[in-house]
Amino acid sequence: DAKTTQPPSMDCAEGRAANLPCNHSTISGNEYVYWYRQIHSQGPQYIIHGLKNNETNEMASLIITEDRKSSTLILPHATLRDTAVYYCIVRVGNNNAGNMLTFGGGTRLMVKP
Amino acid sequence: DAGVTQSPTHLIKTRGQQVTLRCSPKSGHDTVSWYQQALGQGPQFIFQYYEEEERQRGNFPDRFSGHQFPNYSSELNVNALLLGDSALYLCASSQGRRNEQFFGPGTRLTVL
Repeated sequence: DAKTTQPPSMDCAEGRAANLPCNHSTISGNEYVYWYRQIHSQGPQYIIHGLKNNETNEMASLIITEDRKSSTLILPHATLRDTAVYYCIVRVGNNNAGNMLTFGGGTRLMVKP
Repeated sequence: DAGVTQSPTHLIKTRGQQVTLRCSPKSGHDTVSWYQQALGQGPQFIFQYYEEEERQRGNFPDRFSGHQFPNYSSELNVNALLLGDSALYLCASSQGRRNEQFFGPGTRLTVL
C-alpha cells in the first residue's frame, strides 16, 4: 500500500470549514484513498473513500487531485465534536487477500470555539 | 442494530500471564480484524479472520493468536504477556472484501 504524509496537527475555528490535506505521491492506479477519524478514547470511525472522482457524504467531502498524488478531506462546518485524529489511508480496493488498514500518525484536528 | 462490541472494556494482567479478548461483529459482517494501539500511536494491524480462517497477518509474534467462531465472533489470545503488550486492542468488522471497517470501542489492557 502507498505511503501517506499528513501534517501532525491543525486548528480550526468552530463553524468554519476544516481542510485536511494528505499526500500520497506513490499511489497506484488501483489504490483508493480512505479517511478514518478517531475521537479520544473511541475506536476509529470510517468517514469516506474515493478512487479519482470527488466524493461527498453526510460527514465530509473528499477532493482528489487530477494526478491523484494528493487529496483533501473537507469538513464543511466543523464543530467541537469533530476534534479528533484524522487518518488518511491508501490501499487497493476490495481485495480477496485481505483488507488490513495501515494507519500512519494522522492529523490531530483541534476545533476551537 | 448493534455495532461492534468488545469485552472486557478494561483488563489488568501481570507479566507472563495469558489473556483472551472477545469481539462480536456488526450485524451482517463476516470479517473480523484485530489492531493494537499503543499510547499516542496509530492502530497496528495484528490479523484478520474470514470464514473461520486467518486470512492476513501483520508483524506480530506467535504469542498473538486468534479464532473466529461460526457466528463470526472472534477472540484474540495473547500468551506470555510482556509490559510492552499494554495497549488498546481494537476489533473491526467488515463485510467480505470491503475496506470500510467498523471499529469497536476497544479493550484497554494493562500489563504490570
